Amino acid sequence: QSALTQPASVSGSPGQSITISCTGTSSDIGNYNYVSWYQQHPGKAPKLIIYEVNKWPSGISDRFSGSKSGNTASLTISGLQAEDEAHYYCNSYTTSSTWMFGGGTKLTVL
Amino acid sequence: QVQLVESGGGVVQPGGSLRLSCAASGFTFTIRNMHWVRQAPGKGLEWLAFMHHDGSPRYYADSVRGRFTTSRDDSKNILFLQLNSLRVEDTAVYFCATDGLHWDLDLWGRGTLVTVSS
Repeated sequence: QSALTQPASVSGSPGQSITISCTGTSSDIGNYNYVSWYQQHPGKAPKLIIYEVNKWPSGISDRFSGSKSGNTASLTISGLQAEDEAHYYCNSYTTSSTWMFGGGTKLTVL
Repeated sequence: QVQLVESGGGVVQPGGSLRLSCAASGFTFTIRNMHWVRQAPGKGLEWLAFMHHDGSPRYYADSVRGRFTTSRDDSKNILFLQLNSLRVEDTAVYFCATDGLHWDLDLWGRGTLVTVSS
């Protein structure tokens, strides 16, 4: 079970938009729409920000949006704010009835 | 208040055992499927285990299958993770989380630290 592939880091200036990719296989992202994204600030628990590829949990800003094409999912954050600086993880359900996280992406707001 | 609180972490020698607990409150625990996830120091998240609210099925990551076992006590609203044959590489913060009904993890505890060291 290898982790889903995410870029190690991305950066952007306040107000800009950034996109984080998450690449899997036909056994996970490519087979299901059960892709979710999590935000984690240092020393804190992860927080669900997107589920089922592009849906928002209650209370999550619509500046966060998700999409999927083939075996790759993406998270876009628009109107970057300082508080968006954090680690972001994708996750997918798999054909083995397990779940798999991406390696994580550190977002730096310049 | 809706929350999950993990406990039971500590320092254990390689080959040893530990039982982690996850106490749920503020929601109907008995109808919720649950997950365990860990995070090694400075590393990313690793999914470990899933337990259906009925007690079955239970699924495990390859890295812990046969060594770790999840269970639950619905009378006390507690989820457990039994860690056996511990290795140095099992050192991590262990989180429990509720399954959000869409195969996502929607509520997380703050985690408990397990350190495996001689």
